[in-house]
Parts: sequence; C-alpha cells; structure tokens
Amino acid sequence: GQQLNQSPQSMFIQEGEDVSMNCTSSSIFNTWLWYKQDPGEGPVLLIALYKAGELTSNGRLTAQFGITRKDSFLNISASIPSDVGIYFCAGEIVGPYMYSGGGADGLTFGKGTHLIIQP
Amino acid sequence: NAGVMQNPRHLVRRRGQEARLRCSPMKGHSHVYWYRQLPEEGLKFMVYLQKENIIDESGMPKERFSAEFPKEGPSILRIQQVVRGDSAAYFCASSPLPGQSTDTQYFGPGTRLTVL
Repeated sequence: GQQLNQSPQSMFIQEGEDVSMNCTSSSIFNTWLWYKQDPGEGPVLLIALYKAGELTSNGRLTAQFGITRKDSFLNISASIPSDVGIYFCAGEIVGPYMYSGGGADGLTFGKGTHLIIQP
Repeated sequence: NAGVMQNPRHLVRRRGQEARLRCSPMKGHSHVYWYRQLPEEGLKFMVYLQKENIIDESGMPKERFSAEFPKEGPSILRIQQVVRGDSAAYFCASSPLPGQSTDTQYFGPGTRLTVL
C-alpha cells in the first residue's frame, strides 16, 4: 500500500519562528491534505490541495502540492503558542477510479510532526 | 451545524468482550470512513461505507471487526472478542460526496478504546 514519509518527526522552535515540514511518497496522490491534531481530539483539516503545483494559504499557513504529485510541504509563519500540536499530512486517491468498481481508498496518513514551541 | 459525532468518547473493555463504536456523520454527508490510531502513529484507514453499503474494507482486520452504516442511525464499528492489541483511538470521518473537490473528510473526536 501507499506510504507517506513525513519529516521532521518533531520540531522545537522559539515563538515567532517560521516552521516548515514536508511529506514525500513513492506513490502518486491526487489530493494532499494537512491536518492538525490536539491531544485527545480528532484531526482538524487545515489545508486541502487538489491540483499539482497548487499553492494555498490559510492565514499564517501555506501548503503546496508538488508537481510530481508525490510530495507536499506545509509552512507556518510567525509561530504562536497555539500552533503546538501534531501535524499530519494525508494523501488521497480520488477521481474516476472510484466509479470504476475498483473501490475507494481512504486517506493515507504520515506519522506526524510534533511541533513544540518554547516561549 | 454539528460536526461529526462519535460516542462513547472513552470505552473500557475486558479481553473477550465486545466493543461498539458509533459515528454520526455531519449533516448532509453520506460517506463514512473509519480509522485507527495507535499511540505516536498516524491514522490508518480501516473501512469506507455509504448508506447500507461497504465500499472498501481493505484496511479492516479479517476477523472480529465489522462495520455497518444502516439506512437510519449512526455508523457502527463493532469489535468482537477484543484483545489488548485493539486498544487504540478509533476515528470516524465523513464527507459529502467523494470523487469531487468537495470530498474532504471531516473527523470526529474519536473513541479511545482501552482493553484490560
């Protein structure tokens, strides 16, 4: 099955610094998603990317869908304490495949990047 | 507009008992996905359902696990004869209609299953 390699595994940064994390895959995905998970909660969608090369922003967050469809990165600018948490990338195969009787895969998740911010 | 709801939030079972986890999708969503998350790991896909149909159960263990999404009521993930290795957080996600740009999955808060 598909696997996503997410890095770094953890980050210790100072408040106000910029953050960058990425995911790579040996398989092609048609959709890339970035989620944030707080302790004891479910993942919350941050950014969704649907086209290769797409660059999308959501406030201080920016994410890009790699041209090869095998990678994506997430940047957080000017980090603040509430940015602390675990960030997951996820890839999805959608489109004609789902209507061909071949079934549908769920999301494939990376193992997460733990973001820790030191005041 | 209520989000995805899961209950119970925490469930404790002894080995050999049955666990039933419930998921109510967001209003207007007819597609449900179940995932399992072990500590310090990402989520692993288990099963994808539409109303009254299992579309993809490729991530579901072959034995003891089953899922349903009846015409009325929540989706249920059922684990029979639980073992300690079943201890994990189980998340449900819903989407309106996959295969389109609006098919983003929204997650519930999860059910944390502990098997003693």
